[in-house]
Amino acid sequence: AQSVTQLGSHVSVSEGALVLLRCNYSSSVPPYLFWYVQYPNQGLQLLLKYTTGATLVKGINGFEAEFKKSETSFHLTKPSAHMSDAAEYFCAVSDGANSKLTFGKGITLSVRP
Amino acid sequence: GAVVSQHPSRVICKSGTSVKIECRSLDFQATTMFWYRQFPKQSLMLMATSNEGSKATYEQGVEKDKFLINHASLTLSTLTVTSAHPEDSSFYICSARDLEGTEAFFGQGTRLTVV
Repeated sequence: AQSVTQLGSHVSVSEGALVLLRCNYSSSVPPYLFWYVQYPNQGLQLLLKYTTGATLVKGINGFEAEFKKSETSFHLTKPSAHMSDAAEYFCAVSDGANSKLTFGKGITLSVRP
Repeated sequence: GAVVSQHPSRVICKSGTSVKIECRSLDFQATTMFWYRQFPKQSLMLMATSNEGSKATYEQGVEKDKFLINHASLTLSTLTVTSAHPEDSSFYICSARDLEGTEAFFGQGTRLTVV
């Protein structure tokens, strides 16, 4: 069985500050890892994904994440927060292509002016 | 990227009636679609996996007779909430995997309110 842990429910940063959203996973097979963003009353938009290959993955809107197998982590970062980054962020894991996604509980990012 | 269109975005229905939600992959074929339910301030809970041309696979605790799923073509899956009750009020989201299966594309979601 797979699981995703996103510690905390809310992160608040100042505009221009570093964004760090943590994600740890549990999987019995090499995982596929994803970060999604959700704005109010909307579906999910993929920020980035890791399947195989390079462990540092760059996504849209300046976000990136690094797969660290030894730490079973896939933390999401952005060097400089923008007001438009305020949203709900979900980390997810699957055990391969065409497999269902297991989501973390999500974390709300607030950006202060 | 691929587009998944979900309709309607909002629906209000009376208790006891049925509501159908459509999920379409607009520019790709999706042999597998997924239906999720999301409560306020919570994560997405997988309800069922919809496979084209076969019966859906429901997650434990999800009533298959209440949440009817049909995946009649490679671009369309529907979720019908039958005999709706206020506790069925929620945000329902569908997703479809691309042909490689490595990425899931999500619909915009449907806000269902049962009164």
